[in-house]
Amino acid sequence: QSVLTQPPSVSGAPGQRVTISCTGSNSNIGAGYDVHWYQQLPGTAPKLLIYANTNRPAGVPDRFSAFTSGTSASLAITGLQAEDEADYYCQSNDSGLSGSVFGGGTKLTVL
Amino acid sequence: QVKLVESGGGLVKPGGSLRLSCAASGITFTDSYMNWIRQPPGKGLEWVSYISSSGTTINYADSVKGRFTISRDNARNLLHLQMNSLRADDTAVYYCARDRTYDKNANNHWYFDLWGRGTLVSVSS
Repeated sequence: QSVLTQPPSVSGAPGQRVTISCTGSNSNIGAGYDVHWYQQLPGTAPKLLIYANTNRPAGVPDRFSAFTSGTSASLAITGLQAEDEADYYCQSNDSGLSGSVFGGGTKLTVL
Repeated sequence: QVKLVESGGGLVKPGGSLRLSCAASGITFTDSYMNWIRQPPGKGLEWVSYISSSGTTINYADSVKGRFTISRDNARNLLHLQMNSLRADDTAVYYCARDRTYDKNANNHWYFDLWGRGTLVSVSS
C-alpha cells in the first residue's frame, strides 16, 4: 500500500486532455512537501517529468503540467499523443519517514 | 555524456548476498547525492537508500535496514549497494539515481533528476 495514492489506470484519445491524481495526507503533501512526477516508458527507466510541483525540466513539452492543492496533486497532459503511453509516478517526502515516497503509479493508455 | 550505469545484478538464492555498483560519468560525482531505488517486476517504485555527497549521511528504507549497506567511492565515481540476507521480495530492477535537494518553507525537499537503466536482481531457489 503506497503512501501516495494514484489511480491504477487512465485513458484518453489522441488530442484529448487527461489528468492523473496523487492523493496524500497531512504528513506529506499536506505538510508542504513538494510533489514531483516521473514518466516511465515501457521497458525504460523513469524520467523526471515535473519537479517542485509545477516545473518542467528542459526538453519536457509544455503539454505536461501539474499543480498541488491541499493534500493532493494532479498531473495534466493535453493534446494527448501515442508516445505519451507510459506509467506515471508521483513522489514526495513524508515527515514520518526517512526517505522518499512514491505513488503506486498510473498506466496511461492512449486509445 | 551524462550517465549512470548499474552493474552486479543476477540470480541469487534466498539468504545470499550480492553487490551492486553504479558508475557515474559526465557529472560532478563528489557533489552528487545518490540513491538506490527499486522496482519489482510489474510493480511500482520503492526508494531503498540514500547517501550524501561526502558519504557521512546515510538512510535506508525500513524494508532493507540491517541487511543492505550503501557506500560510495568518490575517487572512482562509483556508488555501491551491498545486499545481504536476500529474500524473494527483494527481487526487482535496482536503479541508481542522483537527487537534487533544496529547502523551501522550512522543509527539505528532493527529487531524482538522473537515473541509470537499472540492473535486475532475482532472488529464487
